[in-house]
Amino acid sequence: QKEVEQNSGPLSVPEGAIASLNCTYSDRVSQSFFWYRQYSGKSPELIMSIYSNGDKEDGRFTAQLNKASQYVSLLIRDSQPSDSATYLCAVNKGGGNKLTFGTGTQLKVEL
Amino acid sequence: EAGVVQSPRYKIIEKKQPVAFWCNPISGHNTLYWYLQNLGQGPELLIRYENEEAVDDSQLPKDRFSAERLKGVDSTLKIQPAELGDSAVYLCASSLGQGYGGEAFFGQGTRLTVV
Repeated sequence: QKEVEQNSGPLSVPEGAIASLNCTYSDRVSQSFFWYRQYSGKSPELIMSIYSNGDKEDGRFTAQLNKASQYVSLLIRDSQPSDSATYLCAVNKGGGNKLTFGTGTQLKVEL
Repeated sequence: EAGVVQSPRYKIIEKKQPVAFWCNPISGHNTLYWYLQNLGQGPELLIRYENEEAVDDSQLPKDRFSAERLKGVDSTLKIQPAELGDSAVYLCASSLGQGYGGEAFFGQGTRLTVV
């Protein structure tokens, strides 16, 4: 079992819709969770951090964390073509700064 | 504030040749990561430094890869000799030390092509 799992996609949504990206992780001691956006040919860019159960909202982005289910998700409201990118889920295990990434989900927002 | 700076951005070398990548982290960031990213994959950790100490290098192919972080600031990753399979993007990232949540910020990466 991979430490961080994501559906590789592509996930296609129409412009203006809600995009839902999901991630599961295997290590229960994980404490910090991150979403990165990566455009083709660019490096990953941190867009959301979440540390406790529940929802965290930042503009059109909402991160959701459920530690009991070992599940973290990212919702993008009012999706725009500029949101088309690969979204990487990253998990930081407790006790240190070891940051492990999933393989990423490719999102395509269609006009 | 300057972000993570990497150089070079691109490098093309012949197999069996050596190559080195340089990274300057965000000022004040004690943790430095080197990741390797293949096309269509997520970043894979090669080595993590806390200040000048390599605390996680289990995924670093030590027969050909080496890294150093002198004085706990800049870091260099070296490959000698390079193989065709080393063609990838090498990413450097930095974060505040342990206890600060672990938000990591990436440099622009070095795209290595081994021919």
